[in-house]
Amino acid sequence: AQSVAQPEDQVNVAEGNPLTVKCTYSVSGNPYLFWYVQYPNRGLQFLLKYITGDNLVKGSYGFEAEFNKSQTSFHLKKPSALVSDSALYFCAVRFVSGGYNKLIFGAGTRLAVHP
Amino acid sequence: DVKVTQSSRYLVKRTGEKVFLECVQDMDHENMFWYRQDPGLGLRLIYFSYDVKMKEKGDIPEGYSVSREKKERFSLILESASTNQTSMYLCASSPSGSGNTIYFGEGSWLTVV
Repeated sequence: AQSVAQPEDQVNVAEGNPLTVKCTYSVSGNPYLFWYVQYPNRGLQFLLKYITGDNLVKGSYGFEAEFNKSQTSFHLKKPSALVSDSALYFCAVRFVSGGYNKLIFGAGTRLAVHP
Repeated sequence: DVKVTQSSRYLVKRTGEKVFLECVQDMDHENMFWYRQDPGLGLRLIYFSYDVKMKEKGDIPEGYSVSREKKERFSLILESASTNQTSMYLCASSPSGSGNTIYFGEGSWLTVV
C-alpha cells in the first residue's frame, strides 16, 4: 500500500542550528514528493517538490530537501533555523491509482525552534 | 498567485443540521479536493473532483457529499452533521497531472454541538 511516514512527532532545534525533518515513503512507480508547512489556524503552504532530475530540491524560505531513491526518503532541511520556522510540516506523495492522481500525507512533524 | 478561497473560516452547527462548506479557486484548475485534518491523523481525503459534475470518493466519504456545478467551485455537504465531524476542513485545487502542485485554502473550522 502507498504510504508516507514522518517518524518524529516533534523536532526541537536551537535558532541558528541546522534542522532536518524526516520523511520516508512507500509508493510503486515514480513518486512525486512534496513538502508543505502549516502555521497555526492556517491552511497548508507549499514549500517545495521533487518531480525528477537533481536530487537536491530548493524551495521557499531557505528550505531544501534531498530525494534519496535507495532509502526512499525525502528529508526537509535548512542550514540555519529561525524562530519563525516553528510550525507543522507535512510530507506528501502524489501518485496514480485507479487512473486518478492521489495525494497522501504523513501525519506531520511539529518543528519548534528555540531562541 | 493561486488563490483558493473557503468562504467560512469558523462555523458552529447543531447536530443534525445540513452544513455547506464552499470553496472557490481562481486558476481554472481541473482538480479540486476536500480534506479533513485531525490531530495525530494528518490530512485525510474526503472527496475529489477532476472535472465539472464529476466526483470521486476519497478515503473517508461517509457522511459527506460534494457538488461541482462549475469548474471554479467545489462544495462539501454534511447531510446531517454529527459531533464526530467536528474538524478542520481544507479545500485544495491543482492543474491535472501528477507533478503539479496542489494548493490549499485557509481552512474551515467546523464545530458540531
